[in-house]
Amino acid sequence: DTAVSQTPKYLVTQMGNDKSIKCEQNLGHDTMYWYKQDSKKFLKIMFSYNNKELIINETVPNRFSPKSPDKAHLNLHINSLELGDSAVYFCASSPSQSSEAFFGQGTRLTVV
Amino acid sequence: QKEVEQNSGPLSVPEGAIASLNCTYSDRGSQSFFWYRQYSGKSPELIMFIYSNGDKEDGRFTAQLNKASQYVSLLIRDSQPSDSATYLCAVTLNQAGTALIFGKGTTLSVSS
Repeated sequence: DTAVSQTPKYLVTQMGNDKSIKCEQNLGHDTMYWYKQDSKKFLKIMFSYNNKELIINETVPNRFSPKSPDKAHLNLHINSLELGDSAVYFCASSPSQSSEAFFGQGTRLTVV
Repeated sequence: QKEVEQNSGPLSVPEGAIASLNCTYSDRGSQSFFWYRQYSGKSPELIMFIYSNGDKEDGRFTAQLNKASQYVSLLIRDSQPSDSATYLCAVTLNQAGTALIFGKGTTLSVSS
């Protein structure tokens, strides 16, 4: 199926750990994103990549590091996890020069 | 800083009625406007986008844009219980990029 897919869907981990979330899209899109949706359901942009190049980093702590090995993949690595990092993280992609974004199913991260 | 404002609701309408969802945005230079639907526990799904002043219709959905008033709305005709969800209004973060800034969403409940 053509889609934006994220793994894992659920992630429970202890404070201080390092974890990664993977994202892949087979839509042929040039631009990929990471969004964070907090407990109040507010969806906020974290990063935007276009053709593997970082375009936007919206005041995200340095503990968050995106990596794009190719334009179909955008992974998110988080160091030294904190309780406040608990949220749903959505990967998305859009065609070049378009904001019509398609979202992955989300990764629910719980830090305990 | 750009802001997108929505009434959080819940907005309750009976089945078959017209649901009207409203959104205002702070940046007069915003060019692209989007409506996403998000069911509980699911990812946002693009349902409409509009770039020009006026109305845009797609099936039971109509998006309305008034740039002078910095106002965008979504009308859902013949509302169905399956339309019950949170509706997110979004605008392009800046003119150079394609990332979106979202409102906090309006929860719609359609009763049968």
